[in-house]
Amino acid sequence: EAGVVQSPRYKIIEKKQPVAFWCNPISGHNTLYWYLQNLGQGPELLIRYENEEAVDDSQLPKDRFSAERLKGVDSTLKIQPAELGDSAVYLCASSGGGMNTEAFFGQGTRLTVV
Amino acid sequence: AQTVTQSQPEMSVQEAETVTLSCTYDTSESNYYLFWYKQPPSRQMILVIRQEAYKQQNATENRFSVNFQKAAKSFSLKISDSQLGDTAMYFCAFLTNFGNEKLTFGTGTRLTIIP
Repeated sequence: EAGVVQSPRYKIIEKKQPVAFWCNPISGHNTLYWYLQNLGQGPELLIRYENEEAVDDSQLPKDRFSAERLKGVDSTLKIQPAELGDSAVYLCASSGGGMNTEAFFGQGTRLTVV
Repeated sequence: AQTVTQSQPEMSVQEAETVTLSCTYDTSESNYYLFWYKQPPSRQMILVIRQEAYKQQNATENRFSVNFQKAAKSFSLKISDSQLGDTAMYFCAFLTNFGNEKLTFGTGTRLTIIP
């Protein structure tokens, strides 16, 4: 069974440019998370989806970040325009939902803004 | 709001020895899950072990076991017979709120196994 797939694995962009990350969760997983992980820190939740609905986006900086999960499967996270402080690893995770399943993570996208 | 605290930024231990990583959390919930995740340099988060708060018995997975003290809100991870492949960042995480599940992570402990 394929795991959570993220692309790209690495991205280098100049500040003020847009960037997008893509996540394909495990088949059948209704819950999808996007996390931000700064160097040496734990992941911090940006947004959580239940199917196609964003049920928790309280930590998403909506002035420059946006996300979508069309058809409740794949998801994209976009930053426009990127700032130097956005340099981090962006992790996607999925789970079957509820309290009895673990979250499975992708390998993340390492973003460097120069 | 739930918080997870890992007070040991870095630890190191000789191969084959036992090491314990600490984690404390704060919540007003009575039902929740606790996890330890491992993150090697490849960045892939891997679940190591899971504990349900309503279970008194400590979870065990091969060389990994936990000491869950619900009243003290403590959840430590013990790694026995440590191996070089155990070198990684370890994150304690907390999941609560039926219908509004949010997985909250601690800041991590960098564990190095010395040959």
